[in-house]
Amino acid sequence: GIQVEQSPPDLILQEGANSTLRCNFSDSVNNLQWFHQNPWGQLINLFYIPSGTKQNGRLSATTVATERYSLLYISSSQTTDSGVYFCAVPTQGGSEKLVFGKGTKLTVNP
Amino acid sequence: ETGVTQTPRHLVMGMTNKKSLKCEQHLGHNAMYWYKQSAKKPLELMFVYSLEERVENNSVPSRFSPECPNSSHLFLHLHTLQPEDSALYLCASSLRGGGEQYFGPGTRLTVT
Repeated sequence: GIQVEQSPPDLILQEGANSTLRCNFSDSVNNLQWFHQNPWGQLINLFYIPSGTKQNGRLSATTVATERYSLLYISSSQTTDSGVYFCAVPTQGGSEKLVFGKGTKLTVNP
Repeated sequence: ETGVTQTPRHLVMGMTNKKSLKCEQHLGHNAMYWYKQSAKKPLELMFVYSLEERVENNSVPSRFSPECPNSSHLFLHLHTLQPEDSALYLCASSLRGGGEQYFGPGTRLTVT
């Protein structure tokens, strides 16, 4: 089945720094989701981005489907950005089954 | 209420108890999901319901029994659980056919 790898596994930043998180996937996909899991366990939708670039405030994401990767950019990080960031892709086109990466744990220090 | 809600948020149960987790979605979706998140493991898909029909059972032990009475409600009935079943159980919903999934806040389950 499709494999999803995220890097780095852990990231520690000072408040105000920028960062890039990467998600690689082993097969072609027709959609990709980025999530932020806060310290209470809630998974918050960040982007639904099968291809191209989207921006939402300080966050943006780019998916290059032909090269099988997606990047999540966080600019001017804040302590509230701390948590685990997951990417997820369907097992096959049109499938409701998502495969998640192991996540990147981000810690933003004041 | 908006989005996806789950109750209870926390549950402690003994191995001989029977309990149920409830999920409700207010997004007009027609597919619902149960996921399990154990410590230091990726999220694992347990069950998928599409138009109230179970379309996926990801090799889940029979001590977990899902029920989807309509497109807005999903239950997970628990009985004779083991301590290793302690985890965060997340419910999600989407439009069927691979639409964007939205998650509830989760139920943190501890089996003693």
